Amino acid sequence: SQTIHQWPATLVQPVGSPLSLECTVEGTSNPNLYWYRQAAGRGLQLLFYSVGIGQISSEVPQNLSASRPQDRQFILSSKKLLLSDSGFYLCAWSFGGPYEQYFGPGTRLTVT
Amino acid sequence: AQTVTQSQPEMSVQEAETVTLSCTYDTSESDYYLFWYKQPPSRQMILVIRQEAYKQQNATENRFSVNFQKAAKSFSLKISDSQLGDAAMYFCAYRSSFISNFGNEKLTFGTGTRLTIIP
Repeated sequence: SQTIHQWPATLVQPVGSPLSLECTVEGTSNPNLYWYRQAAGRGLQLLFYSVGIGQISSEVPQNLSASRPQDRQFILSSKKLLLSDSGFYLCAWSFGGPYEQYFGPGTRLTVT
Repeated sequence: AQTVTQSQPEMSVQEAETVTLSCTYDTSESDYYLFWYKQPPSRQMILVIRQEAYKQQNATENRFSVNFQKAAKSFSLKISDSQLGDAAMYFCAYRSSFISNFGNEKLTFGTGTRLTIIP
């Protein structure tokens, strides 16, 4: 069966510091991968999605970036964090096509 | 652009009773998918149920069922025999069936309904 991992689970970083969140999927190949952000008390906002290695599409202009160095690895990065980057970050995967997305456990990021 | 609206920020129900969560959406597309996701206190999003717009029959998964009204653009979730473990945030989500050359299967989420189960 497929599983999705995210780490770290929680992170506290000062403003201006770099960020790297990692997501990996096991048990499938060539998945579609997604990064979402959930602000407190709100729904999910899609940040990036990827249909293959090196193929990244950005939904929201911001100081975040994403990379997919391997088929089942998706990384969310920032060179300099802003206070507004605080939130809960969720990675998801799907088979593509009409199939639903499955979410990882998430990372709670607090920028101080 | 598609939008999803959940007009009930909070709902509560007695254990073993039935509750219905509302969701409406706006789209100009004729073919799409709708989902209900559950987010318990652990905050991991869990798929509850899926509905294809081209299917007239309402989807059902055990105690969870939907009332899909395509013309009204309404997609409500009914939870029967509510259990304490059903307490969570519930999100309605929309996904277009259109796939662009670069792939575009993003989910558009509503703002959620917090469901409380009263023992």
